[in-house]
Formats: sequence, C-alpha cells, structure tokens
Amino acid sequence: SYVLTQPPSVSVAPGKTARITCGGNNIGSKSVHWYQQKPGQAPVLVIYYDSDRPSGIPERFSGSNSGNTATLTISRVEAGDEADYYCQVWDSSSDHGVFGGGTKLTVL
Amino acid sequence: EVQLVESGGGLVQPGGSLRLSCAASGFTFSSYSMNWVRQAPGKGLEWVSYISSSSSTIYYADSVKGRFTISRDNAKNSLYLQMNSLRDEDTAVYYCARPIGYSNHYYFDYWGQGTLVTVSS
Repeated sequence: SYVLTQPPSVSVAPGKTARITCGGNNIGSKSVHWYQQKPGQAPVLVIYYDSDRPSGIPERFSGSNSGNTATLTISRVEAGDEADYYCQVWDSSSDHGVFGGGTKLTVL
Repeated sequence: EVQLVESGGGLVQPGGSLRLSCAASGFTFSSYSMNWVRQAPGKGLEWVSYISSSSSTIYYADSVKGRFTISRDNAKNSLYLQMNSLRDEDTAVYYCARPIGYSNHYYFDYWGQGTLVTVSS
C-alpha cells in the first residue's frame, strides 16, 4: 500500500516561513491535498490539487509537488497557524484514501 | 450551507457492534460519493471506507474489511457505518467526509464534527 511520510514536528518563529514535507514514491505523479486540524476540531482543507487554495484560506498557504516530495509552505506564520497538518492522496492502485502521519506545527 | 452530522458513537465491549450515522444537508447528497475517516486518540487520520453515489462501488481499508459495512440511503440523505467484531484498536473519533474531485484524485472538502467510538471492557 502507498505510504506518505511527514516529519512529526516543525517549529517556526512568528513571521517566518514554515515548510512541511510529505514524502511518497513518485508522489509528483499524484494530486496531494493538505488539511489543518486544531485540537478538538475536524480537519479543514487548506490546499488541494498540490497548490490550489479553497476560498477563505489565506494566501500565506501554498503548496508544491515534485518528484518524491510534496511541500506545504506557510509564509508569515501566525500564532493561529499552530495545528496539526496532514497530507493526503488517493491511491488509485488500491482505491484507498491515504493520509500522512501528520506534522505538529509549533509557533515559538 | 453544507452540514454533516455524525451520531451513534458510544462505549461498546470488544466483539460488539455499533452503527454510525451521518446526516447530510445543504447539498444534493445523492450526487456525491461519501467516506468515513477515523482518528484514534492522539493519533493521525486514517481513511476507513468509500461509497459511490449510487452505492455501486465500495472500498474499505484493510484494517476494517470484513468487519465494517458502509451504506447509504439517498432518500434520507444519510450515510451509515455498521461496525461489527469491534476491537480495542477501533477506538477513535469517526468522521464522515465528502470527497470531491476527479476520479483517483479525491480530496475531502467537508467534514462532520465526528462521533467517538470507545471499545473497552
């Protein structure tokens, strides 16, 4: 089955740029989606199709995907961005949804 | 406004059964496939199951295949998850989520608030 690998944690100072990676075999050939989840809340979509933003998501959130790594970039990080972030793909070979293990973003 | 509201969670003993429901509103339910996603306490998200709009196509995660059954009633705008032979490791918050996008590139644009299932003796 397809595996997505994320770093368990990323720390960043306010106003700086956070980059959260999602590794997978030839992930560049897939569409990668990203979710933000705050404690006690349901996940919220922040990036879809590698780099598209849903309405209401700040432009500070962006995404890229190439080779074996997809990246969620959060510019000018704010305290309110502190959350868990998950990448997700649909694995067509198994017809399964697949999530990465999640990355806890800490704003210092 | 799209709304997904799960219900049916609770405490159940190992080996027991539980049926979850998800009531959908604010969109044409019968036109969309649906999914269940779960999250064990303190852990990450795990995809559980998919059902197409007409119920003709169904998929399950290997961890629940043969024990869980996904179904839907388009007349009632409702999604269900029948969970049998429950194990301790099935303890989780269960979310219903609406997938969107073109085939094999689905993402989840709307999620319910989740319902907690606790499997314990």
